Amino acid sequence: QSALTQPPSASGSPAQSVTISCTGTSSDVGAYNYVSWYQHHPGKAPKLMIYEVTKRPSGVPDRFSGSKSGNTASLTVSGLQAEDEADYYCTSYAGSNSYVFGTGTKVTVL
Amino acid sequence: QGQLVESGGGLVKPGGSLRLSCAASGFKFSEYYMRWIRQAPGKGLEWVSHITSDRTTDYADSVKGRFTISRDNARKSLFLQMDSLRVEDTAVYYCAREYFYRFDLWGQGTLVTVSS
Repeated sequence: QSALTQPPSASGSPAQSVTISCTGTSSDVGAYNYVSWYQHHPGKAPKLMIYEVTKRPSGVPDRFSGSKSGNTASLTVSGLQAEDEADYYCTSYAGSNSYVFGTGTKVTVL
Repeated sequence: QGQLVESGGGLVKPGGSLRLSCAASGFKFSEYYMRWIRQAPGKGLEWVSHITSDRTTDYADSVKGRFTISRDNARKSLFLQMDSLRVEDTAVYYCAREYFYRFDLWGQGTLVTVSS
Protein backbone atom coordinates (compact mmCIF):
# COMPACT_ATOMS: atom_id res chain seq x y z
CA GLN A 1 0.00 0.00 0.00
CA SER A 2 1.28 3.44 -0.90
CA ALA A 3 0.80 6.44 1.33
CA LEU A 4 -2.08 8.76 0.59
CA THR A 5 -0.90 11.92 -1.14
CA GLN A 6 -1.28 15.24 0.64
CA PRO A 7 0.24 18.62 -0.24
CA PRO A 8 3.31 19.27 1.92
CA SER A 9 2.04 22.66 3.03
CA ALA A 10 -0.96 24.94 3.09
CA SER A 11 -1.46 28.39 4.54
CA GLY A 12 -3.99 31.09 5.14
CA SER A 13 -4.50 34.28 7.07
CA PRO A 14 -6.59 34.36 10.23
CA ALA A 15 -10.32 34.08 9.47
CA GLN A 16 -9.61 32.65 6.02
CA SER A 17 -10.17 29.05 4.95
CA VAL A 18 -7.72 26.38 3.92
CA THR A 19 -8.49 23.06 2.25
CA ILE A 20 -6.19 20.05 2.34
CA SER A 21 -6.56 17.23 -0.15
CA CYS A 22 -5.85 13.55 0.45
CA THR A 23 -5.60 11.40 -2.67
CA GLY A 24 -5.66 7.64 -2.56
CA THR A 25 -6.91 4.87 -4.79
CA SER A 26 -10.03 2.84 -5.47
CA SER A 27 -8.74 0.34 -2.90
CA ASP A 28 -8.71 2.75 0.02
CA VAL A 29 -10.22 6.26 -0.11
CA GLY A 30 -12.47 5.38 -3.02
CA ALA A 31 -13.61 2.09 -1.53
CA TYR A 32 -14.59 3.04 2.00
CA ASN A 33 -16.20 5.95 3.81
CA TYR A 34 -13.67 5.49 6.59
CA VAL A 35 -11.43 8.49 6.05
CA SER A 36 -10.30 10.26 9.18
CA TRP A 37 -8.18 13.36 9.81
CA TYR A 38 -5.72 14.05 12.62
CA GLN A 39 -4.21 17.28 13.91
CA HIS A 40 -0.69 16.97 15.26
CA HIS A 41 1.14 19.65 17.17
CA PRO A 42 4.78 18.47 17.38
CA GLY A 43 5.57 16.91 20.70
CA LYS A 44 1.91 16.32 21.52
CA ALA A 45 -0.50 13.48 20.94
CA PRO A 46 -2.23 13.51 17.56
CA LYS A 47 -5.91 14.46 17.82
CA LEU A 48 -8.82 13.05 15.85
CA MET A 49 -10.60 15.89 14.02
CA ILE A 50 -12.81 14.15 11.45
CA TYR A 51 -13.94 10.53 11.08
CA GLU A 52 -16.05 8.65 8.54
CA VAL A 53 -15.27 11.40 6.00
CA THR A 54 -17.53 14.09 7.44
CA LYS A 55 -18.18 13.48 11.16
CA ARG A 56 -16.69 15.56 13.95
CA PRO A 57 -15.98 14.14 17.42
CA SER A 58 -17.49 16.07 20.27
CA GLY A 59 -15.34 19.04 21.21
CA VAL A 60 -13.97 19.63 17.70
CA PRO A 61 -15.06 23.05 16.42
CA ASP A 62 -17.45 23.11 13.48
CA ARG A 63 -14.82 25.15 11.64
CA PHE A 64 -13.40 21.76 10.68
CA SER A 65 -15.23 19.87 7.95
CA GLY A 66 -14.54 16.92 5.70
CA SER A 67 -15.67 15.70 2.32
CA LYS A 68 -14.85 13.11 -0.31
CA SER A 69 -15.15 12.76 -4.05
CA GLY A 70 -13.98 9.60 -5.72
CA ASN A 71 -10.48 8.74 -4.55
CA THR A 72 -9.83 12.16 -2.97
CA ALA A 73 -10.86 13.30 0.47
CA SER A 74 -10.56 16.85 1.75
CA LEU A 75 -10.34 18.67 5.06
CA THR A 76 -11.43 22.30 5.22
CA VAL A 77 -10.58 24.57 8.09
CA SER A 78 -12.72 27.69 8.02
CA GLY A 79 -12.12 30.82 10.06
CA LEU A 80 -8.47 29.95 10.61
CA GLN A 81 -7.13 30.59 14.08
CA ALA A 82 -3.56 30.66 15.34
CA GLU A 83 -4.05 27.39 17.24
CA ASP A 84 -4.94 25.62 13.98
CA GLU A 85 -1.30 25.81 12.93
CA ALA A 86 -0.20 22.18 13.01
CA ASP A 87 0.47 19.12 10.88
CA TYR A 88 -2.58 17.34 9.52
CA TYR A 89 -2.74 13.71 8.43
CA CYS A 90 -5.47 11.78 6.68
CA THR A 91 -6.01 8.06 7.07
CA SER A 92 -8.15 5.62 5.18
CA TYR A 93 -9.24 2.09 5.91
CA ALA A 94 -7.88 -0.18 3.20
CA GLY A 95 -9.54 -3.47 4.00
CA SER A 96 -8.41 -6.54 5.97
CA ASN A 97 -7.87 -4.56 9.15
CA SER A 98 -5.30 -2.31 7.45
CA TYR A 99 -5.01 1.45 7.18
CA VAL A 100 -2.97 3.75 5.02
CA PHE A 101 -1.82 7.14 6.20
CA GLY A 102 -1.35 10.37 4.31
CA THR A 103 1.99 12.05 3.79
CA GLY A 104 1.02 14.96 6.01
CA THR A 105 0.36 18.66 5.46
CA LYS A 106 1.84 21.49 7.48
CA VAL A 107 -0.74 24.25 7.92
CA THR A 108 0.63 27.70 8.59
CA VAL A 109 -1.48 30.59 9.81
CA LEU A 110 0.05 33.69 8.29
CA GLN B 1 -12.35 9.90 27.77
CA GLY B 2 -9.07 8.21 28.53
CA GLN B 3 -5.32 8.60 28.40
CA LEU B 4 -2.42 6.69 26.86
CA VAL B 5 1.16 7.11 28.06
CA GLU B 6 4.07 5.48 26.22
CA SER B 7 7.44 4.68 27.74
CA GLY B 8 10.53 2.62 27.04
CA GLY B 9 12.10 4.50 24.17
CA GLY B 10 15.78 5.34 24.03
CA LEU B 11 19.05 4.97 22.16
CA VAL B 12 20.01 1.49 21.03
CA LYS B 13 22.63 0.10 18.67
CA PRO B 14 21.66 -1.67 15.44
CA GLY B 15 20.76 -5.24 16.20
CA GLY B 16 19.67 -4.37 19.71
CA SER B 17 16.31 -4.66 21.43
CA LEU B 18 13.85 -2.40 23.21
CA ARG B 19 10.46 -2.97 24.81
CA LEU B 20 7.93 -0.19 24.58
CA SER B 21 5.00 0.09 26.96
CA CYS B 22 1.75 1.99 26.73
CA ALA B 23 -0.25 2.53 29.91
CA ALA B 24 -3.96 3.09 29.42
CA SER B 25 -6.34 4.74 31.84
CA GLY B 26 -9.88 6.09 31.92
CA PHE B 27 -11.51 3.51 29.67
CA LYS B 28 -12.15 -0.22 29.45
CA PHE B 29 -8.86 -1.18 27.82
CA SER B 30 -9.77 -4.83 27.23
CA GLU B 31 -12.58 -3.92 24.84
CA TYR B 32 -10.49 -2.02 22.33
CA TYR B 33 -8.22 -2.85 19.42
CA MET B 34 -4.87 -1.13 19.92
CA ARG B 35 -2.19 -0.09 17.47
CA TRP B 36 1.39 1.04 17.39
CA ILE B 37 2.05 3.78 14.84
CA ARG B 38 5.40 5.43 14.22
CA GLN B 39 6.76 8.60 12.66
CA ALA B 40 10.32 8.64 11.41
CA PRO B 41 12.15 11.99 11.42
CA GLY B 42 10.76 14.21 8.69
CA LYS B 43 8.36 11.50 7.54
CA GLY B 44 4.65 10.77 7.85
CA LEU B 45 2.81 8.33 10.03
CA GLU B 46 3.24 4.59 9.48
CA TRP B 47 1.25 1.73 10.98
CA VAL B 48 3.53 -0.74 12.77
CA SER B 49 1.33 -3.33 14.44
CA HIS B 50 -2.06 -3.96 15.95
CA ILE B 51 -3.69 -6.30 18.43
CA THR B 52 -7.39 -6.98 18.69
CA SER B 53 -9.40 -7.37 21.86
CA ASP B 54 -9.06 -11.15 21.50
CA ARG B 55 -5.27 -10.83 20.95
CA THR B 56 -5.15 -11.40 17.20
CA THR B 57 -2.07 -9.59 15.92
CA ASP B 58 -0.71 -8.24 12.65
CA TYR B 59 2.43 -6.41 11.58
CA ALA B 60 3.70 -4.17 8.83
CA ASP B 61 5.98 -6.07 6.46
CA SER B 62 8.88 -3.82 7.52
CA VAL B 63 8.78 -5.16 11.10
CA LYS B 64 7.33 -8.66 10.67
CA GLY B 65 9.48 -11.27 12.40
CA ARG B 66 11.33 -8.64 14.46
CA PHE B 67 8.60 -6.93 16.50
CA THR B 68 6.03 -8.54 18.81
CA ILE B 69 2.93 -6.79 20.08
CA SER B 70 1.17 -7.94 23.23
CA ARG B 71 -1.28 -6.70 25.83
CA ASP B 72 -2.00 -7.22 29.50
CA ASN B 73 -5.62 -6.33 30.09
CA ALA B 74 -5.32 -6.71 33.86
CA ARG B 75 -2.58 -4.08 33.89
CA LYS B 76 -4.29 -2.05 31.14
CA SER B 77 -1.05 -2.05 29.20
CA LEU B 78 0.10 -2.50 25.62
CA PHE B 79 3.61 -3.59 24.70
CA LEU B 80 5.88 -3.69 21.69
CA GLN B 81 8.96 -5.90 21.88
CA MET B 82 11.39 -4.71 19.23
CA ASP B 83 14.30 -6.99 18.34
CA SER B 84 16.97 -6.84 15.63
CA LEU B 85 16.50 -3.09 15.45
CA ARG B 86 17.66 -1.24 12.35
CA VAL B 87 18.62 2.35 11.75
CA GLU B 88 15.41 2.76 9.76
CA ASP B 89 13.35 1.91 12.85
CA THR B 90 14.33 5.27 14.32
CA ALA B 91 11.06 7.07 14.98
CA VAL B 92 8.62 8.36 17.54
CA TYR B 93 6.35 5.46 18.43
CA TYR B 94 2.73 6.18 19.35
CA CYS B 95 0.15 3.86 20.76
CA ALA B 96 -3.39 4.54 19.61
CA ARG B 97 -6.84 3.26 20.45
CA GLU B 98 -8.90 2.09 17.51
CA TYR B 99 -12.64 2.57 17.58
CA PHE B 100 -14.82 1.84 14.57
CA TYR B 101 -12.31 2.61 11.86
CA ARG B 102 -10.73 5.60 13.56
CA PHE B 103 -7.96 6.23 16.07
CA ASP B 104 -9.74 8.26 18.70
CA LEU B 105 -7.08 8.37 21.39
CA TRP B 106 -3.31 8.67 21.06
CA GLY B 107 -0.38 8.90 23.40
CA GLN B 108 2.31 11.56 23.14
CA GLY B 109 4.83 9.07 21.82
CA THR B 110 8.21 7.71 22.83
CA LEU B 111 11.38 8.26 20.78
CA VAL B 112 13.40 5.29 19.61
CA THR B 113 16.80 6.05 18.14
CA VAL B 114 18.80 3.26 16.51
CA SER B 115 22.36 4.34 15.93
CA SER B 116 25.88 3.05 16.38
